[in-house]
Amino acid sequence: DTGVSQNPRHKITKRGQNVTFRCDPISEHNRLYWYRQTLGQGPEFLTYFQNEAQLEKSRLLSDRFSAERPKGSFSTLEIQRTEQGDSAMYLCASRQDRGSSYEQYFGPGTRLTVT
Amino acid sequence: DAKTTQPTSMDCAEGRAANLPCNHSTISGNEYVYWYRQIHSQGPQYIIHGLKNNETNEMASLIITEDRKSSTLILPHATLRDTAVYYCIVSFRRGGSEKLVFGKGTKLTVNP
Repeated sequence: DTGVSQNPRHKITKRGQNVTFRCDPISEHNRLYWYRQTLGQGPEFLTYFQNEAQLEKSRLLSDRFSAERPKGSFSTLEIQRTEQGDSAMYLCASRQDRGSSYEQYFGPGTRLTVT
Repeated sequence: DAKTTQPTSMDCAEGRAANLPCNHSTISGNEYVYWYRQIHSQGPQYIIHGLKNNETNEMASLIITEDRKSSTLILPHATLRDTAVYYCIVSFRRGGSEKLVFGKGTKLTVNP
C-alpha cells in the first residue's frame, strides 16, 4: 500500500453513461497525475496537477474527459458518454514537489469496463 | 513515444542476479533514467533512478554506461516476488511535469 487510494476499484458501465473516479493522494503531495493503461501496454499519461492547477493535458484526454482537483487534495476524473474504447485501468499517482523528491507513488487503479 | 528499448521478456532463476538491459540512445543531458516495475494487477512501483553515476538502493542497482546511451537494472538476488513487468523510462527531472512515458517494458519471470 503506497498511501494513494483510488475508488472505485472496479466499474462496469454501459456505453453512453458517465463515470467518475476518485483519487486520494498522499496528504503532503502537491503533484497529482492521471494515467491510463490498456491491456498489454504501459501506462499512458493523461494529465497532471500541481496543487489545484491542472498544468498539462495529453492529447489522449478528449473533450469527454475532465479532471479536477478542487482544493489541491483529492482529484476526480470524469468520463462522459463512455465508449468501449475507454475500457482500461485508470491509474493515479502523486509526488511531493521538493528538490530531492523524484518518486511517483501509484495507487492500485480503477478498472473500467464499458459494455 | 517511449524513448527506450527493452527486451520483451526475460527469465531468471530464483536466487540469481537478474540483469535487465535498456537502450536509450537519444537521451539528452538533462534527462534521467528511471526504473519502475508493475506486479500483476497493481500500480507501478518506483525502483531506482540515475543521471550519470551508478546507483544502488535496497531494491536494486542501476548501471549507466559512460555515454549514457544504455543502462542495466540489476536485482542482485531475484525472488519469486520480483516477477513483474519492468519499465525503463527517460524523463526530464527538473521543472515541467516530469510525466512518465512508459513503453511496454520487460516481463521478468523468476523461476523456482
